[in-house]
Amino acid sequence: DVVLTQTPVSLLISLGGQASISCRSSQSLVHSNGNTYLHWYLQKPGQSPQLLIYQVSNRFSGIPDRFSGSGSGTDFTLKISRVEPEDLGVYYCLQRTHNPPTFGGGTKLELK
Amino acid sequence: EVQLQESGPGLVKPSQSLSLTCSVTGYSITSNYWGWIRKFPGNKMEWIGHISYSGSTSYNPSLKSRISITRDTSKNQFFLQLNSVTTEDTATYYCARQGWITTTDDYWGQGVMVTVSS
Repeated sequence: DVVLTQTPVSLLISLGGQASISCRSSQSLVHSNGNTYLHWYLQKPGQSPQLLIYQVSNRFSGIPDRFSGSGSGTDFTLKISRVEPEDLGVYYCLQRTHNPPTFGGGTKLELK
Repeated sequence: EVQLQESGPGLVKPSQSLSLTCSVTGYSITSNYWGWIRKFPGNKMEWIGHISYSGSTSYNPSLKSRISITRDTSKNQFFLQLNSVTTEDTATYYCARQGWITTTDDYWGQGVMVTVSS
């Protein structure tokens, strides 16, 4: 199975600050069709995961432009600018290029 | 609006079967893919499997010998059965829709916590 390594495991950020989360894959996530199926989720306390970014850099409906995704191949990054209280929770990357789909270990974002 | 709701027992005995239902409103399960994902105590997440718009299934090889995902299109529901459970199957189980455009799970249920214990 593809292993996704997320760093850091936890992140302390001040309100209004910027956060950056890395997701590195054990193999390239470029599909044979040329697409890259790497997605980002946020699980807020007591809620189910919500989709933030799909296919590396596309924001899902209703997601503010403070969230941005980038990367290619095996290295991907989620950036959150102007952190707000509702951004707190655990962030996950998920790859769907290879079967079975696999998740990163999660990054917990907390307020400093 | 697409809504999903999991239901099922919160406690299952070791060696028994776990059966969960996902009820979908606002969208037909005869379109798209419909999956199950679980989150273990701590942060680890695992994809369990899915059933397609046509009824075909795909399972995580790590669970393939123990799981079955089926559906009832007349009720717009799909189901997870996990056999021979152990304490390691204790987790919160989520059902989710895989979107055509997003190509990933874009709508999720609230989750149901299942504990395996005697």
